Order: sequence, then structure tokens, then C-alpha cells
Amino acid sequence: ETGVTQTPRHLVMGMTNKKSLKCEQHLGHNAMYWYKQSAKKPLELMFVYSLEERVENNSVPSRFSPECPNSSHLFLHLHTLQPEDSALYLCASSHLDGRVDQSTDTQYFGPGTRLTVL
Amino acid sequence: AQKVTQAQTEISVVEKEDVTLDCVYETRDTTYYLFWYKQPPSGELVFLIRRNSFDEQNEISGRYSWNFQKSTSSFNFTITASQVVDSAVYFCALSLGETSGSRLTFGEGTQLTVNP
Repeated sequence: ETGVTQTPRHLVMGMTNKKSLKCEQHLGHNAMYWYKQSAKKPLELMFVYSLEERVENNSVPSRFSPECPNSSHLFLHLHTLQPEDSALYLCASSHLDGRVDQSTDTQYFGPGTRLTVL
Repeated sequence: AQKVTQAQTEISVVEKEDVTLDCVYETRDTTYYLFWYKQPPSGELVFLIRRNSFDEQNEISGRYSWNFQKSTSSFNFTITASQVVDSAVYFCALSLGETSGSRLTFGEGTQLTVNP
């Protein structure tokens, strides 16, 4: 089973649609992340979940709503998006062992969902 | 605030050439981690290496090698005898030692094209 999977791989939606992106990790990790990758821009961290609790929300518009029902699954609910939200959305997971100096906190990424908003 | 700079936007080489991708970082923290990821056209970021700020030993893995120099805040990546399959975007990233999940700061990436 691939480490981090994302579905769908491609999504086209209108501005009035509601859709959800799904991420699943099979690595036994306890932290999950959403990133946005737009053309000609560095990857932007959107949300961080640690032990299923949201610990970071990087000023992301409310039209993006994350959900982490358990340590293996992460969702990104989308509604009333704008064309500028078209991007590659990447999910990642890592293992936090609580010891900063010996942390194994390397993030492993999924293949991404290519989102186009019309 | 942290910053990662990859000054080379695009590099094009011919197969079997050696190529070095530059990465310069900025942070005021003494504990930090540096990463390289590869993003092939399929989109997935593939983890290549992680170094912590206390370990300046250079590392070699097959055709890949990394040169970490704290004195110049650089973490450069060299591919020896490049191959067409090495064509991808390569990202350098920095995170601080935090217990609640790393916050990766990425550079803008270097598009490497290896021509046959």
C-alpha cells in the first residue's frame, strides 16, 4: 500500500460547487498537513493537524475547511472557491515522537490533487 | 522568520554530466532541519534527505551527495553522472525543531532537465 494516498487526483469544479479532497496515510503517523502549490509560487502550508488536533491555520480563507477524523485520514472541504484557488493540493504526514532533538518528523507527501476552478 | 533561497530556477544538462543544485537558508534558530525533495512530473514530492543543524557531515547516497556548510548557510545537492530520470523539480526546505509538527519552509524549486 502506497504511504500517502490522495483522491481524487484531478478535480474540476465550478465556483458554486462543494467538493472534498481526501488524504489517507498508511505509515502509522500522527501528524498530517495540507499544502497548496500554485504555479510559480513556493509551496504554502495551509493546515497542520497533530494528534488529530488542528495546531495551525495559516490565514487560509474559510472557503477551505479541513477535517481530521482520525490519525490516518485528512479531508479538505471546498465550497464557493475562486479561480485563483486552482492549484495542486498536497497532503503530507509525519511522525511526532515528542523529542525535538531526535524527532523523526520527516514529512512524506501524497501525489496531490490537481484542482481547477472554473 | 525562516527563508530558503534556490537561486537557480532552471538548469539544463546533458546526460552523464554532474550538476549541483544550490540552496541557501536563513534562520535565527540553532536547532533546525534541512531537507531535499524531488518532484517528478507526476506531482508527488519524494523525500531525499534530512539533516539536522548539529550534523555537518556530508552525505553520499549512490549518485546523490549533499554538502552542508553552516558557515555559509548552504545545503547544496549534487547529482553525479546525471540521467534522464533525474529530470524533475527539486525543492530545498527548512523546518525548526518543534514538537507539534514541522512547518516546512520551501524554496521556490529548481527545474532540472537532463537531456539524452
